[in-house]
Amino acid sequence: KQEVTQIPAALSVPEGENLVLNCSFTDSAIYNLQWFRQDPGKGLTSLLLIQSSQREQTSGRLNASLDKSSGRSTLYIAASQPGDSATYLCAVAAGGFKTIFGAGTRLFVKA
Amino acid sequence: GAVVSQHPSWVICKSGTSVKIECRSLDFQATTMFWYRQFPKQSLMLMATSNEGSKATYEQGVEKDKFLINHASLTLSTLTVTSAHPEDSSFYICSALEGLSYNSPLHFGNGTRLTVT
Repeated sequence: KQEVTQIPAALSVPEGENLVLNCSFTDSAIYNLQWFRQDPGKGLTSLLLIQSSQREQTSGRLNASLDKSSGRSTLYIAASQPGDSATYLCAVAAGGFKTIFGAGTRLFVKA
Repeated sequence: GAVVSQHPSWVICKSGTSVKIECRSLDFQATTMFWYRQFPKQSLMLMATSNEGSKATYEQGVEKDKFLINHASLTLSTLTVTSAHPEDSSFYICSALEGLSYNSPLHFGNGTRLTVT
């Protein structure tokens, strides 16, 4: 059974700091891995999608890497801003079109 | 980019009544849609997979008679919470698969906050 774990559960950093969020999954047989952002009481916004054949994806200040063999992914946020404060969710697409989510990392960027 | 519209964004209902939540893909066709439930400060738990024109597939522990799912068209799936009780109060989110492959991106609605009094 696929399980997705995110570390840390919560993170507070000063504005301008570079930071790394971690995601691990137990079954390497995935089709893709996706990072989402969720603001309080809102739905999810897709940030980056990495296919199983890819190693990383970049969008602006965000960079996500994928190491399928070790079951790990990282989301790197450069020069963090208060507007980056949100919960970041990692999700893996497994068989049957199912997407399994981690519990998320709650990020707070202090101005 | 692809947009999924979920309606209503919040609803308050009395215990024993039924509530319908709509999930629409606005600019793409979605053969497959998903319904999730999210408790405070917890992650999304998949409730069911909705396929256009066929019966939904429910996850273990989800009551299919309480959470009725209908996916009558390629752009609309509905979730009806029947005979709602206070324990059904939660945040419900739908998502739609843009494409037919396992590598297709998943797009989410903004969620529906259900409060049962």
